[in-house]
Amino acid sequence: AQTVTQSQPEMSVQEAETVTLSCTYDTSENNYYLFWYKQPPSRQMILVIRQEAYKQQNATENRFSVNFQKAAKSFSLKISDSQLGDTAMYFCAFNLNRDDKIIFGKGTRLHILP
Amino acid sequence: EAGVTQFPSHSVIEKGQTVTLRCDPISGHDNLYWYRRVMGKEIKFLLHFVKESKQDESGMPNNRFLAERTGGTYSTLKVQPAELEDSGVYFCASSHLSFGGRPDTQYFGPGTRLTVL
Repeated sequence: AQTVTQSQPEMSVQEAETVTLSCTYDTSENNYYLFWYKQPPSRQMILVIRQEAYKQQNATENRFSVNFQKAAKSFSLKISDSQLGDTAMYFCAFNLNRDDKIIFGKGTRLHILP
Repeated sequence: EAGVTQFPSHSVIEKGQTVTLRCDPISGHDNLYWYRRVMGKEIKFLLHFVKESKQDESGMPNNRFLAERTGGTYSTLKVQPAELEDSGVYFCASSHLSFGGRPDTQYFGPGTRLTVL
């Protein structure tokens, strides 16, 4: 079965700090894509970052970067210099190369404190 | 470019009633997906349309749920009759058709919060 586990239901950090959100997943497939989605309080969910499993280099998008450990099936998200606008629910997810359905974790609610 | 829109944003109905949710995908997106998040649980896939055809409906919980996408544009998801366990947030997403095996990015709507009393 394909599953995603986010072990931190909720986190709070001070503005400008660095925070890391954990994610592990399980699949027996070898070709897949990993994602972090962000859902701010206004509810529109947006893609933060995407990683192809066949790429060893970790994806980065400005202040957002991932630590992808394929053997350990781990895909953590690091947010540097956190900002108030980063307050949101963050979902770790993946889908198989051969399939379109996205499999999500339960989410981590992140609070950035002023 | 307008994003994925969903209507209504909230719906409160009584058990046994019927509710219809609507999703308007991004213009030109042939793929349309429905997902659901029950409180405290993961967001779960329901089904996938390619244009007007159902590509994958493996996530539909039971035959009380009916999804349509006539004409390959907007989609509706009808729940009839609604049960208490149907409460949750229903998300719609859309994407371009992908070729060569690489799935395209899915863009999500804001969701419809359904409460069944």
